Amino acid sequence: AQKVTQAQTEISVVEKEDVTLDCVYETRDTTYYLFWYKQPPSGELVFLIRRNSFDEQNEISGRYSWNFQKSTSSFNFTITASQVVDSAVYFCALRISSGSARQLTFGSGTQLTVLP
Amino acid sequence: GAVVSQHPSWVICKSGTSVKIECRSLDFQATTMFWYRQFPKQSLMLMATSNEGSKATYEQGVEKDKFLINHASLTLSTLTVTSAHPEDSSFYICSASLSGQGNNSPLHFGNGTRLTVT
Repeated sequence: AQKVTQAQTEISVVEKEDVTLDCVYETRDTTYYLFWYKQPPSGELVFLIRRNSFDEQNEISGRYSWNFQKSTSSFNFTITASQVVDSAVYFCALRISSGSARQLTFGSGTQLTVLP
Repeated sequence: GAVVSQHPSWVICKSGTSVKIECRSLDFQATTMFWYRQFPKQSLMLMATSNEGSKATYEQGVEKDKFLINHASLTLSTLTVTSAHPEDSSFYICSASLSGQGNNSPLHFGNGTRLTVT
C-alpha cells in the first residue's frame, strides 16, 4: 500500500521568508508520480508541481522549487520569498504506475500561514 | 486548461433527505472520475472511483448504498448521498483526468461541495 507523510501540521512564516514543506512517501512500485497541490480557504485544489520517479532532477519554477530525493523517499517543496497569498493547506500526493486506476494518495497536509 | 465544475458549492439539508452532487468536466472527456471526502483540517480520503458506463469501485468502508455514484457520460459523474445524517456532513470533492493521458498527468479537481446535514 502507498503512504504519504507530511510531518509538519502547521507552519507560520513572515512574508518574504523562504519556507520548505516536507513530504515523505512509501511505495513498493518502482515507477510512481509525485504531486503537490495547494488548497486555499475557498476549498478548491490547485495543482502546483509534479515529478516522475525516474527523473530526480530538481527544478525551479518561479518562486517554487522542489527537492526529490529517491534515496530518502522525500519530495520537499520550497516557496521562496513567501507572500500572504501563499497561505493555504499544501498537500503532497502520490500515484503509482501499476493498475488501471489513477487515484492519488494524499498526505495529511501542511497548513502554511504567511504573516504580513 | 482542463476545468472540472462541481455543483452545488454548498448545500444544507435535513436529516433523512438525499442530496445529489454533480461533477462535470467542461472541456475534456473523463473516462474516470474520483470522489473524495475531506473532514475539517484533515486530508482527502478517496471514496470511490467512478467509471463511465460501468459500476463505480468503492473503497473499503464506504457504503455503496449510501453513496450512489452514476457516471452516465464522459463528462458527468454524480454522487448522491442517500438518507443523509449529520455524520455525513463533510466536504466532498471530485476530480478527473483527461482520457488517454499518462499517469503523470495531474488530476483536475472541482471546487468541492460543502454538505451540512441538520
